[in-house]
Amino acid sequence: SQQGEEDPQALSIQEGENATMNCSYKTSINNLQWYRQNSGRGLVHLILIRSNEREKHSGRLRVTLDTSKKSSSLLITASRAADTASYFCATGLFYNQGGKLIFGQGTELSVKP
Amino acid sequence: GAGVSQSPSNKVTEKGKDVELRCDPISGHTALYWYRQSLGQGLEFLIYFQGNSAPDKSGLPSDRFSAERTGGSVSTLTIQRTQQEDSAVYFCASSSPTSGGYNEQFFGPGTRLTVL
Repeated sequence: SQQGEEDPQALSIQEGENATMNCSYKTSINNLQWYRQNSGRGLVHLILIRSNEREKHSGRLRVTLDTSKKSSSLLITASRAADTASYFCATGLFYNQGGKLIFGQGTELSVKP
Repeated sequence: GAGVSQSPSNKVTEKGKDVELRCDPISGHTALYWYRQSLGQGLEFLIYFQGNSAPDKSGLPSDRFSAERTGGSVSTLTIQRTQQEDSAVYFCASSSPTSGGYNEQFFGPGTRLTVL
């Protein structure tokens, strides 16, 4: 069964606006990762945040992690039409503790030009 | 360098037939994973190989599903006596122990399986 719950399931915004997606999970984790998927193709890794980190930035992406609330958010600033995709959060363990990622259901983002 | 490759990209089969899906991980990656994604859903973990350790098969949905990894590289996922509910996109991913101990995974393009 899926561990993560993502909110919203779908988000439609105009180019230039910011997009915020939320993810909640159930069990303790060592890291949380965000992936992007275009039209059912393979997933692309966006950013990884460790359990002892609270915020991380990568270009126009900002990820926060609140382990007390078991939640994370992904913010995409100044969105572009090319950001249109599905975004998934996934929780993981240390490499030597078992490798599987547990994925959320995803947020489908549509950025209109 | 080359990423994770999977073949075939699409597979249409009849209910009851067996299928084999292939994955070539990134060279040097010792960990290999299989996931599947049903329409409109997130990815569901199936099986995980790490070096010479026994695989983690905890996600395999039934005994019709099996996977092997030969020579620590290429992996084959086999589905026997396919059912319509097996229709999904099957993804392979690999990762490296050099990722600082954290498990960033690199995904292949997937194999879309349709069972008629």
